[in-house]
Amino acid sequence: EIVMTQSPATLSVSPGERATLSCRASQSVSSNLAWYQQKSGQAPRLLIYSASTRATGIPARFSGSGSGTEFTLTISSLQSEDFAVYYCQQYNNWPPLTFGGGTKVEIK
Amino acid sequence: QVQLQESGPGLVKPSQTLSLTCTVSGGSISGRDYYWSWIRQPPGKGLEWIGHVYYSGGTYYNPSLKSRVIISVDTSKNQFSLKLSSVTAADTAVYYCARAEVVVITMNHWGQGTLVTVSS
Repeated sequence: EIVMTQSPATLSVSPGERATLSCRASQSVSSNLAWYQQKSGQAPRLLIYSASTRATGIPARFSGSGSGTEFTLTISSLQSEDFAVYYCQQYNNWPPLTFGGGTKVEIK
Repeated sequence: QVQLQESGPGLVKPSQTLSLTCTVSGGSISGRDYYWSWIRQPPGKGLEWIGHVYYSGGTYYNPSLKSRVIISVDTSKNQFSLKLSSVTAADTAVYYCARAEVVVITMNHWGQGTLVTVSS
């Protein structure tokens, strides 16, 4: 099973600032990596797939990069609606599909 | 726009079987481009993939749950279902159904989730 590790667990950012979230895989997942956003009390929403492709309707301020074992989600200028928990998920070697433990982006 | 809705008991006794159904609207469950998925999230914790079913009935399960899980599909009702047997308090979670792309195995449509509590 591929283990996904996200850091930091919590990121405190001021509105308008840039946020950089990391995700590391225990072995290479090529570019088969997705990012999700989950707001409190809601289902997750797909943001990014194939490491860097934005899903339909996702604003351009969200960008993904990386391949192999190291990945980054960048939110270029945080808006109030972006404060949430973010999860990475690999789909290179499955079953099982595996998620990271999440990064909470909170208001500084 | 496809929509998914979970339904089933919110309280299950230990050692019994948890049963949930996901009703799909706005699209056919018989599409060849999708898997139909169950994911769960214990209170305050992260996401765990339970498994997928394909329209033909083919299934993929998380090995950690495989001995206790059955996911099935009913194309005539546009529904798919989850059965998890021998539940314990550790199975208490919000259970989500979702649609996953076959080519890029990511969940791009989710139900709202339903909380299932395991307690006597």
